[in-house]
Amino acid sequence: DSGVTQTPKHLITATGQRVTLRCSPRSGDLSVYWYQQSLDQGLQFLIQYYNGEERAKGNILERFSAQQFPDLHSELNLSSLELGDSALYFCASSALTEAFFGQGTRLTVV
Amino acid sequence: GQQLNQSPQSMFIQEGEDVSMNCTSSSIFNTWLWYKQDPGEGPVLLIALYKAGELTSNGRLTAQFGITRKDSFLNISASIPSDVGIYFCAGPNAGGTSYGKLTFGQGTILTVHP
Repeated sequence: DSGVTQTPKHLITATGQRVTLRCSPRSGDLSVYWYQQSLDQGLQFLIQYYNGEERAKGNILERFSAQQFPDLHSELNLSSLELGDSALYFCASSALTEAFFGQGTRLTVV
Repeated sequence: GQQLNQSPQSMFIQEGEDVSMNCTSSSIFNTWLWYKQDPGEGPVLLIALYKAGELTSNGRLTAQFGITRKDSFLNISASIPSDVGIYFCAGPNAGGTSYGKLTFGQGTILTVHP
């Protein structure tokens, strides 16, 4: 158990809808990362937050947004969903250098 | 931005064989991390390397931080079926993960035949 909790584990939704993925980092970790992994693809960095502030941004679509709350949990919001958004979405947290991943949310857009 | 080139992309080996994979970068990294991902699961940290030249073991796994700080190697000895998965190298931007994204290699898909 990495200590990083992601909910829900699975999500099936229709095109055009909006969903929110939630991540609770390890106790004490200030950094939260979001990654997208499509079938047979590597880990694509989306965005990083550090202590509530956006720290780094990757190839995140404008339809996607994220935030980190005062209690350090983070949410990734995906809107106007398309079939191609179907993927595994991972959250990771870190204190200094080593990042620990959650189990992921498998999003299926139908 | 920083990129990590991981090779080989995939490996098919027999149980009991040793495995070697590597990761290279055009930029210097101060830390190298190696992860394993089982199908449908999140990546799990296997080994972390912090100093150039460092050699670290974790059971049958051994990883090395290259002297130039631009590469790293992961070796798996006497492979077993549960070694199957995707292995990723990763490195944080300068300043550590608190200062920017963790860059990942493309992954090495390992298949072990019994």
